[in-house]
Amino acid sequence: EPEVTQTPSHQVTQMGQEVILRCVPISNHLYFYWYRQILGQKVEFLVSFYNNEISEKSEIFDDQFSVERPDGSNFTLKIRSTKLEDSAMYFCASKRDRNQPQHFGDGTRLSIL
Amino acid sequence: KNEVEQSPQNLTAQEGEFITINCSYSVGISALHWLQQHPGGGIVSLFMLSSGKKKHGRLIATINIQEKHSSLHITASHPRDSAVYICAVDLVKLIFGTGTRLQVFP
Repeated sequence: EPEVTQTPSHQVTQMGQEVILRCVPISNHLYFYWYRQILGQKVEFLVSFYNNEISEKSEIFDDQFSVERPDGSNFTLKIRSTKLEDSAMYFCASKRDRNQPQHFGDGTRLSIL
Repeated sequence: KNEVEQSPQNLTAQEGEFITINCSYSVGISALHWLQQHPGGGIVSLFMLSSGKKKHGRLIATINIQEKHSSLHITASHPRDSAVYICAVDLVKLIFGTGTRLQVFP
């Protein structure tokens, strides 16, 4: 069964550094999402992406964050200048159309030192 | 204000017991999802519901749109069912509840 893949599984970065989290959604999916989960807390929506543009973003998704779908297969989340509070598990998800469930990747655990 | 409330937060059961997890929400939605999160962190979609009831194996999910309430039931629970079960409302993006941590002991 096709699945969403995320790399790396764990990223350790110094505060202030840029980090790029990578996702390969399922190939015929059209809607793409990033979520994050701070340790011990609930999963939170960051951003949704459809038709090559951001369709919605949360308050968390400030100017330090950006997303890209550079080549039709990858979907990346960039954090420009990381802060300690960016430490979390980041999940990518995709779905085929509006009325389908989202498929999640296994997540990237981001640790900011 | 939490848009999605789950209860209980933690649940312990003996193998074979019938489990119920409840979810209440405050916003109008097109669908509600039940998801499972294992200790490694990965999230798996169990059900997507917009009305009535769905069943998959030992799992049953129900939703009452008028009362803004959904339940997830596990019949004949097994230790491998131990996980965090999460309710999420579908506003195109998903808004997640805080999850219910289930432990099933042999």
